[in-house]
Amino acid sequence: GIQVEQSPPDLILQEGANSTLRCNFSDSVNNLQWFHQNPWGQLINLFYIPSGTKQNGRLSATTVATERYSLLYISSSQTTDSGVYFCAVETKTSYDKVIFGPGTSLSVIP
Amino acid sequence: KAGVTQTPRYLIKTRGQQVTLSCSPISGHRSVSWYQQTPGQGLQFLFEYFSETQRNKGNFPGRFSGRQFSNSRSEMNVSTLELGDSALYLCASSLDLVQETQYFGPGTRLLVL
Repeated sequence: GIQVEQSPPDLILQEGANSTLRCNFSDSVNNLQWFHQNPWGQLINLFYIPSGTKQNGRLSATTVATERYSLLYISSSQTTDSGVYFCAVETKTSYDKVIFGPGTSLSVIP
Repeated sequence: KAGVTQTPRYLIKTRGQQVTLSCSPISGHRSVSWYQQTPGQGLQFLFEYFSETQRNKGNFPGRFSGRQFSNSRSEMNVSTLELGDSALYLCASSLDLVQETQYFGPGTRLLVL
């Protein structure tokens, strides 16, 4: 099946710093989403981005489907950005339809 | 619109018992997916329901089952619970099978003793 990798696994930032999170996938996919899981476990959709670039405030994402990777940019980080960031791909099969990466754990310190 | 709701939020069971979890999607959403999250395996896809039919299934044993009702509400059932079933079970809804954007509920934390 498709392998989804994320890097880095852990990241500690000073408030105000910028960061780039990466998601690599091993085969072509129907779509890709980025999620943020807050410390209480709630998953929040950030971007649906099968290809191209999208921006939402301090966050932006780029997916290069032909090269099988996606990037999530966080600018001017805030303590509320802390949590785990997951990318998830929708496969082209009906088995294991959605595969999540292992996540990047982000801690933003004041 | 109200978000995705899941009940119960916390549950403690013993090995061998069965459990039923409930998920109410966002109004108008027709697709409901279920996921299991554990520290060891991360987030794993369980199954997806659309129009009362299971459309997709993950790599889980037959002890895990689900169903969807005509109002799109969904339930998942785990029979003969094992210690390894302890997890956060998340439900997500989306407008249709394309799953353009998934919205997650708060989850049900299941502890099997």
